[in-house]
Amino acid sequence: AQSVAQPEDQVNVAEGNPLTVKCTYSVSGNPYLFWYVQYPNRGLQFLLKYITGDNLVKGSYGFEAEFNKSQTSFHLKKPSALVSDSALYFCAVSVYNTDKLIFGTGTRLQVFP
Amino acid sequence: NAGVTQTPKFQVLKTGQSMTLQCAQDMNHNSMYWYRQDPGMGLRLIYYSASEGTTDKGEVPNGYNVSRLNKREFSLRLESAAPSQTSVYFCASSEGAGANVLTFGAGSRLTVL
Repeated sequence: AQSVAQPEDQVNVAEGNPLTVKCTYSVSGNPYLFWYVQYPNRGLQFLLKYITGDNLVKGSYGFEAEFNKSQTSFHLKKPSALVSDSALYFCAVSVYNTDKLIFGTGTRLQVFP
Repeated sequence: NAGVTQTPKFQVLKTGQSMTLQCAQDMNHNSMYWYRQDPGMGLRLIYYSASEGTTDKGEVPNGYNVSRLNKREFSLRLESAAPSQTSVYFCASSEGAGANVLTFGAGSRLTVL
């Protein structure tokens, strides 16, 4: 069975500081990993994905994520946070050649001016 | 392009009533999904459809039925609604298996009294 854990319900960071949102996963097989963002009263929007290759993946809005196979982690990062980054962030995992995408419980990011 | 369209946006039901949530996508995607979002639980997969004519159970299928009417449409039916089904429901679609990105609808907020 595949699963995703986001250990932090909320992350607070000051504008201009680096941010990290944590994600760990469990799958049987090669994982496909994703980050999505949800703004209030909206559906989820895709940020970035890891399929294979370079462990550092760059995505939308200056976000990046690092795949670490030994730690089964896929943490989301940004060098300098903006107030407009405040939203709900979801990590998700699927397994090679399947359609089943499983999401974590979400982490609320609050960036303070 | 409209992307993924869900109807209705809001619905209030009494316990035991039935209803169908409609979803349509205009991106010629093969795969379609229904998720529910609850506070502290994240997004949980109810059912998904890898292609027209096929459906598979997700994490929380009990109390729901789905129909992949054609390539564009994927409906979710509650035969006898229960208060535990009060949630925000999201439909999504993707090109196909594995590494493809999901496009989400705006969500349908359902309250069961």
